[in-house]
Amino acid sequence: GAVVSQHPSWVICKSGTSVKIECRSLDFQATTMFWYRQFPKQSLMLMATSNEGSKATYEQGVEKDKFLINHASLTLSTLTVTSAHPEDSSFYICSARDRGLAGTDTQYFGPGTRLTVL
Amino acid sequence: GESVGLHLPTLSVQEGDNSIINCAYSNSASDYFIWYKQESGKGPQFIIDIRSNMDKRQGQRVTVLLNKTVKHLSLQIAATQPGDSAVYFCAENAGNNRKLIWGLGTSLAVNP
Repeated sequence: GAVVSQHPSWVICKSGTSVKIECRSLDFQATTMFWYRQFPKQSLMLMATSNEGSKATYEQGVEKDKFLINHASLTLSTLTVTSAHPEDSSFYICSARDRGLAGTDTQYFGPGTRLTVL
Repeated sequence: GESVGLHLPTLSVQEGDNSIINCAYSNSASDYFIWYKQESGKGPQFIIDIRSNMDKRQGQRVTVLLNKTVKHLSLQIAATQPGDSAVYFCAENAGNNRKLIWGLGTSLAVNP
């Protein structure tokens, strides 16, 4: 149980284009999902917290107009990197908290999406 | 700001030995701690967690110890195997929004 998927697993795009990454909880409902980015040999950096049916909460320094987050259902959140540039190249990871496990804070992570912007 | 940090960035052990990965935290209000394992190119994988009302919790080949007095967390892996080679992160849950605060990570290398 507690499986989270991401699609695509990797993507290469040209500078200036937009890329959408999907995060799905496959066997549980997630009222809250989180989006992280990770650079090589570094820890995870939280970008935003996504709550189903409401606007995402962005961390300080993360541009909400550049990283658009939509959490339209209890099993799907999307991250769109708009007008991507080479400096946006990174490993993007989502996580989800199981709505059914009351009182638990455990986040289950997707496999990540490797974005390369040329 | 408050953060979770790790004492050792890399750890090399012999196959079959026990591994101990340490983590220090500074937020005394944190009440939930998690260890994750991340293999290269993959997302973090939940290993074990512990709440602040406990000081020890055991799983399969892993044990987490929590010392609230000195704000220290450790992950013990028994009979370390090559498949245990990965980066291990400790994380704490703090605040009403329950965000995870991540440590820097420890790279564990298991020598055959």
